Amino acid sequence: DAKTTQPNSMESNEEEPVHLPCNHSTISGTDYIHWYRQLPSQGPEYVIHGLTSNVNNRMASLAIAEDRKSSTLILHRATLRDAAVYYCILRDSDSNYQLIWGAGTKLIIKP
Amino acid sequence: EPEVTQTPSHQVTQMGQEVILRCVPISNHLYFYWYRQILGQKVEFLVSFYNNEISEKSEIFDDQFSVERPDGSNFTLKIRSTKLEDSAMYFCASSAGAPRGEQYFGPGTRLTVT
Repeated sequence: DAKTTQPNSMESNEEEPVHLPCNHSTISGTDYIHWYRQLPSQGPEYVIHGLTSNVNNRMASLAIAEDRKSSTLILHRATLRDAAVYYCILRDSDSNYQLIWGAGTKLIIKP
Repeated sequence: EPEVTQTPSHQVTQMGQEVILRCVPISNHLYFYWYRQILGQKVEFLVSFYNNEISEKSEIFDDQFSVERPDGSNFTLKIRSTKLEDSAMYFCASSAGAPRGEQYFGPGTRLTVT
């Protein structure tokens, strides 16, 4: 799987939007961009995924650059419950089953 | 909302003992996974399981590990002879349909080997 690069940590104020960046300059045409998060002392949780077009769901939005070499996870109005480690993961549409995890971005929400 | 469940939440065992970690995946899911996370480290893939057989496994998943789906609902991870370095959180996950689809994780079992 291609590699992703994320900042180690980010801080944001409660009730403000948060933009979490991910660089994946070696992404291939068949790689999907997946985001998961892990709240403290919990199992990972699926957030969103996309291929080329921007995606929205009830949890977040995913903005994908036109060249697909980067993407941004957008939390429109962060709450204290969104404090977690956020992982950007590339998954080949043809390949394997496993998720390969990096270190992610630790999101700190300030009240 | 359907969820993945895992038991026990915490297991303490002595080195060399066998442990079985249990998971109940989401009922209509077809793909099952085990991951582990050593304290303070990244989540690591162990194994995936589909159609009653292992579809992929990592280097961590050596002969000491095995998985089984003994009935229509449970999915188990067995460690035959535990080592100190097996101490970790073990997460079960499941996904519907496509193997590259989103995976849904359980809350984990904390395994402590003494």
